[in-house]
Amino acid sequence: AQTVTQSQPEMSVQEAETVTLSCTYDTSESDYYLFWYKQPPSRQMILVIRQEAYKQQNATENRFSVNFQKAAKSFSLKISDSQLGDAAMYFCAYRSRRNYGGSQGNLIFGKGTKLSVKP
Amino acid sequence: NAGVTQTPKFQVLKTGQSMTLQCAQDMNHEYMSWYRQDPGMGLRLIHYSVGAGITDQGEVPNGYNVSRSTTEDFPLRLLSAAPSQTSVYFCASSYSWSGDYGYTFGSGTRLTVV
Repeated sequence: AQTVTQSQPEMSVQEAETVTLSCTYDTSESDYYLFWYKQPPSRQMILVIRQEAYKQQNATENRFSVNFQKAAKSFSLKISDSQLGDAAMYFCAYRSRRNYGGSQGNLIFGKGTKLSVKP
Repeated sequence: NAGVTQTPKFQVLKTGQSMTLQCAQDMNHEYMSWYRQDPGMGLRLIHYSVGAGITDQGEVPNGYNVSRSTTEDFPLRLLSAAPSQTSVYFCASSYSWSGDYGYTFGSGTRLTVV
């Protein structure tokens, strides 16, 4: 079974600085998706960025970028020029790309990292 | 489009009571699922459905029941509420269970069992 590990329960960053959130995962599959979700105090789950495992190029969305190391099974999120609105829980998640049957198509989440941004 | 609508947003139950958390989507999504979120535990899958009439268990299904009689609705039933079921519940949907489709989440239901 696949697992997702976020080893940093809490992180803090100064406004305008850069922060990196860590995520590692375990899988025997070669074809999958990885995600970062943001959950602000409103509780809404917001997709930040997505990476397809078959793509070597790291995904980027404005100030958010990932460092995807497939061999190391690592998927870190870098937030540049941090803003007060970036303060939230961040979840790393995994999903199989292929339909094997069973529960492989579901999202598997890490336990989350709470990010605070200091003004 | 309303997206994924969860009701109620908040609920307090007494131990032993039953209730149904509602989830509806208007995007013609084939796949729907229920997660619970507990502090320090992330989101854990309770039940999921890959289409009308088809449901299956996730990681933490005990104490919960689901059915999927229509594409739009996927209610989660608590049969006899226990304090261990105090949690925030999220419903999520996707166009398809497989392939390159994103998930849409509801805004969550905070349930307290006393």
